[in-house]
Amino acid sequence: EDQVTQSPEALRLQEGESSSLNCSYTVSGLRGLFWYRQDPGKGPEFLFTLYSAGEEKEKERLKATLTKKESFLHITAPKPEDSATYLCAVQAKNNNAGNMLTFGGGTRLMVKP
Amino acid sequence: DAGVTQSPTHLIKTRGQQVTLRCSPKSGHDTVSWYQQALGQGPQFIFQYYEEEERQRGNFPDRFSGHQFPNYSSELNVNALLLGDSALYLCASSLGPGKETQYFGPGTRLLVL
Repeated sequence: EDQVTQSPEALRLQEGESSSLNCSYTVSGLRGLFWYRQDPGKGPEFLFTLYSAGEEKEKERLKATLTKKESFLHITAPKPEDSATYLCAVQAKNNNAGNMLTFGGGTRLMVKP
Repeated sequence: DAGVTQSPTHLIKTRGQQVTLRCSPKSGHDTVSWYQQALGQGPQFIFQYYEEEERQRGNFPDRFSGHQFPNYSSELNVNALLLGDSALYLCASSLGPGKETQYFGPGTRLLVL
């Protein structure tokens, strides 16, 4: 069974204090790993897709990396508007019938000014 | 470019009732997935529709059923509502059931009393 574990569950940072969020996964053949941002009461907003170990993607203050067992979301010099829950999800290669996502529990990030 | 839309935004029902939620996919997308997100948790996959057929299903009882229409829009039906069905119901669309990214709508908040 595919599993995704995110840590920490919650993270408080001061504005400008860089940090990393972790996503550990076990999957029967990885088709893709996805990062989403979710604001309270809203739907997840797509950030990145990573397909193979060693791949990196960047967007503004965010950088996502991937190894064979985990992914990291690095946040450089965060601002209060980066406060949100960050969700990691995997898609298994053997899901020939569809592309269901298995999500972790998320990391709630709060950035204080 | 219209994103994924869902209706209604909020809904209150009582135990034992039935509910229907609606989703219109992002323009150009033909595959719709439904997820349930309990408070403080990551989304859980319910099922996916492609070419008007259920292609993949998660671990949800058959009280949860769905439909996809020729215009690719979709409905989620839940019968015999339980208190535990209270959650944010998310619809996601993608271009095909392959590895393409899923884009989420704003969700429908269901409260069962």
